[in-house]
Amino acid sequence: GAVVSQHPSWVICKSGTSVKIECRSLDFQATTMFWYRQFPKQSLMLMATSNEGSKATYEQGVEKDKFLINHASLTLSTLTVTSAHPEDSSFYICSASPQRALSPSSYNEQFFGPGTRLTVL
Amino acid sequence: GEDVEQSLFLSVREGDSSVINCTYTDSSSTYLYWYKQEPGAGLQLLTYIFSNMDMKQDQRLTVLLNKKDKHLSLRIADTQTGDSAIYFCAEKDGYGGYNKLIFGAGTRLAVHP
Repeated sequence: GAVVSQHPSWVICKSGTSVKIECRSLDFQATTMFWYRQFPKQSLMLMATSNEGSKATYEQGVEKDKFLINHASLTLSTLTVTSAHPEDSSFYICSASPQRALSPSSYNEQFFGPGTRLTVL
Repeated sequence: GEDVEQSLFLSVREGDSSVINCTYTDSSSTYLYWYKQEPGAGLQLLTYIFSNMDMKQDQRLTVLLNKKDKHLSLRIADTQTGDSAIYFCAEKDGYGGYNKLIFGAGTRLAVHP
């Protein structure tokens, strides 16, 4: 249980185009989903916290008009990188927090997706 | 703000124990986590410890927490080549699943024969 998927797993796009990345909790409902980006050999940087049915909360320095987040249901959140540029190339990882405890520990746990590697040419 | 620091690299011989260290600044941390990341993959939760605990053992993994010094360590006994990965320490302030995690930079563990 507690599987989070991301689609696509990798994408290459031209500069100026928009790219949508999906994050799905497959076997549980997630009230909160988180979006991170990770540069090579660096840590995860939290971009935004997404709550179902409400606007995402962005971390300082993250442009909300560039990284559009939609959390339309309890199992799906999407991140759209608008007008992508080469500097947006990165590894994007989502995580999901269960609405209800799946086990004694899972209420406090974030389950991570496998990541999406974005390359902008 | 909150900060989590780790040493960046550790090299051990197969069969030896590995100890990965982490320090954090947030005195309000409620949970502290260790995640493992293999190349090109997402994060896998290895273990966690609640802030009122000193130690937690789970098979080959032992977590030690010194709350006074805000120091966390992960010991991997009988380290295997499959343990080669990046290990992230993370802390959470708060009890809810909506509370964000603060990650360290990650420690790259290399296991050699």
